[in-house]
Amino acid sequence: NAGVTQTPKFQVLKTGQSMTLQCAQDMNHNSMYWYRQDPGMGLRLIYYSASEGTTDKGEVPNGYNVSRLNKREFSLRLESAAPSQTSVYFCASSEAPLAGGTDTQYFGPGTRLTVL
Amino acid sequence: EDQVTQSPEALRLQEGESSSLNCSYTVSGLRGLFWYRQDPGKGPEFLFTLYSAGEEKEKERLKATLTKKESFLHITAPKPEDSATYLCAVRRGGYQKVTFGIGTKLQVIP
Repeated sequence: NAGVTQTPKFQVLKTGQSMTLQCAQDMNHNSMYWYRQDPGMGLRLIYYSASEGTTDKGEVPNGYNVSRLNKREFSLRLESAAPSQTSVYFCASSEAPLAGGTDTQYFGPGTRLTVL
Repeated sequence: EDQVTQSPEALRLQEGESSSLNCSYTVSGLRGLFWYRQDPGKGPEFLFTLYSAGEEKEKERLKATLTKKESFLHITAPKPEDSATYLCAVRRGGYQKVTFGIGTKLQVIP
C-alpha cells in the first residue's frame, strides 16, 4: 500500500496563477484533510471531508477550494495564488472519527509551493 | 478554543542522554491526544494515540504518557536517528478537527 500520495512534490507559481494539488489514499479511509505548515505556525487545517460527498471549512479556508472526487481522492485548488499562500501543503486521511472509527490521521509527503 | 503548547521548542541531547518532551493542552472533552514524528522535508509520521489520563504507550526508545493537562514523550537513551521534530495534537469530542502544536525539534548528537 502506498498510503497517502500527493502530487506535485514542488511547484512555483506567479501571483494570480491557479493550480490544483492532488491527493489520493488507498487505505479505504472515509475522512480526508488538507493542511498547510508554515514556520512557527504549526499545521493548520484548510478544509476537510468527513466522508465522500461532504466538505467543510477548517481554520484557514480563504483563497482555497476543495473537491472530494470520490472516496480515494481529495483535491485542493488555488484559484488565484498569492505570495501569502507560499507554504508546505499536506494531505491526510483517517477512518471515521465521528462514526466510531479510529481517528488517527495519516499524512502524505507534502507539496512545497512557492508563489512569486 | 483548543490550545496545544509544546516545550521546549528545541532540545539538543548527547547520544544516550534520556529526556522528556512536554505537551500541555487545553481542550473541552479530550477524545484523543496524538504524537507524530516529522523528519525534514517529509510528512508527519504517526507514533501514538492516548485517550485517557494515566494511559501509557511505548515504542522502542519512546514512551508517551497522559495526564488531565499534559502529555510527555519520554526518550530513553536516544540515538542520532531519533533526531526529528515531534508534534503533539488533540481532538475534542464530537469534533472531526485536530489541533496541532508547533512541535519540539530534537537533535541527538553522537
